[in-house]
Amino acid sequence: QQPVQSPQAVILREGEDAVINCSSSKALYSVHWYRQKHGEAPVFLMILLKGGEQKGHEKISASFNEKKQQSSLYLTASQLSYSGTYFCGTELTNDYKLSFGAGTTVTVRA
Amino acid sequence: DAGITQSPRHKVTETGTPVTLRCHQTENHRYMYWYRQDPGHGLRLIHYSYGVKDTDKGEVSDGYSVSRSKTEDFLLTLESATSSQTSVYFCAISSSGLNEQYFGPGTRLTVT
Repeated sequence: QQPVQSPQAVILREGEDAVINCSSSKALYSVHWYRQKHGEAPVFLMILLKGGEQKGHEKISASFNEKKQQSSLYLTASQLSYSGTYFCGTELTNDYKLSFGAGTTVTVRA
Repeated sequence: DAGITQSPRHKVTETGTPVTLRCHQTENHRYMYWYRQDPGHGLRLIHYSYGVKDTDKGEVSDGYSVSRSKTEDFLLTLESATSSQTSVYFCAISSSGLNEQYFGPGTRLTVT
C-alpha cells in the first residue's frame, strides 16, 4: 500500500530548513529515502529500520517513529543541490519489496 | 555508480505490438526490479526477481511479464502494448542485506 507523503511541494531559499513526512497505515519494517533530479534516476539517500533511529547524509537527516508508522526527512541549511523530488519507500516486512510515495518536489532558490 | 544499464533508452511503438525492455547489471546482485514512473504516482513496482528464474508480481503487473535466465539480465515484456503503458520504466538492483536499491538510467516508452 502506497505511503502518503507531505507536502507535495516546497520552495526554499538557500539556508532555509524543511521537513518532509512519510506516513503509512500499516506497520513498517523499514523506510527508505531517495532523491531524483529532473530527467535522472532516483538516488539512494538512507534507510531507517524500525527502532526509531535517526540517520544523516550531509545536512539531510531522517527519523522513524515506529509507533506512528511515520518517517520524516529533514533538510537543514538547504543548498541549491538539494533541489529535486524526494521519495520515501516503505517495506512492510523484510521481503525486499518497496512501495513508494508520490514524491515531494523541493525547489531551492538562491 | 552501480553497473546497471537499460536498453533501449527511448522507444516509440504502436498499440498492439510486443515490446521488450532489457536491464543488465554487472554487480552480481541477487534482487532486480522493474518500476514504472508516472506523474503523481511516484514509482510503482511491476515485477521483481529474487534469483535466476525466480520472479514475482508487484502492484501493477497486469499486461507485463518478465524473465530472468541469467543473474545479470532481467527482461520486461509488454505482450501487446497499450497507450496506458506509456511511461518511464526504471530497473533497479539490490543485494541481500538492507535492500538499498540502485536504479538504472530509465527507458522512456511511448505507445501511440
